[in-house]
Amino acid sequence: GENVEQHPSTLSVQEGDSAVIKCTYSDSASNYFPWYKQELGKRPQLIIDIRSNVGEKKDQRIAVTLNKTAKHFSLHITETQPEDSAVYFCAAWGGKLQFGAGTQVVVTP
Amino acid sequence: GAVVSQHPSWVICKSGTSVKIECRSLDFQATTMFWYRQFPKQSLMLMATSNEGSKATYEQGVEKDKFLINHASLTLSTLTVTSAHPEDSSFYICSASGQGNTDTQYFGPGTRLTVL
Repeated sequence: GENVEQHPSTLSVQEGDSAVIKCTYSDSASNYFPWYKQELGKRPQLIIDIRSNVGEKKDQRIAVTLNKTAKHFSLHITETQPEDSAVYFCAAWGGKLQFGAGTQVVVTP
Repeated sequence: GAVVSQHPSWVICKSGTSVKIECRSLDFQATTMFWYRQFPKQSLMLMATSNEGSKATYEQGVEKDKFLINHASLTLSTLTVTSAHPEDSSFYICSASGQGNTDTQYFGPGTRLTVL
């Protein structure tokens, strides 16, 4: 089955700096890669996603890149703000969603 | 659009009792619903996938007799935790797909289960 690895597990950044989270997946058949932001006790919130026929996608301060050959995908958050503090999960879809372990992002003012 | 609700949002029960959690798609027909469990500071782990009118498909290691899933309509799926024990205490989240791409999932707000 699919296996998704996510790094780092924690990430502390100064407000205004960029944050990068990286994921790898194992199943070459996976074709959809969403990223979720989850605040404590709440549902995962989809923040951006990318499909296997696209290499990069951007939405304001958030961007995702996908390297199908290397089976890597990454989340980039620019100009971080305190409200970006949360746990971020990557996931890969190959008929069902397999989640990464999560990254706790802390943005300090 | 694409709103999913869960009820209850939290529940406390005694060990040995059964608890039912409902997951509803409010404004779309959910052909497939998924149930996840999330322990504190951990990721979401898929428990089972259910298609309307069919038996649920359980992930390896998930006891189908303990976690009963029913998906009787295109807007409702239920998860019943039977004979709950303290180790079943967790955050249970459902998601639904059926609007737009089949891989796009809409998550419910989750149910916090505490078994005493």
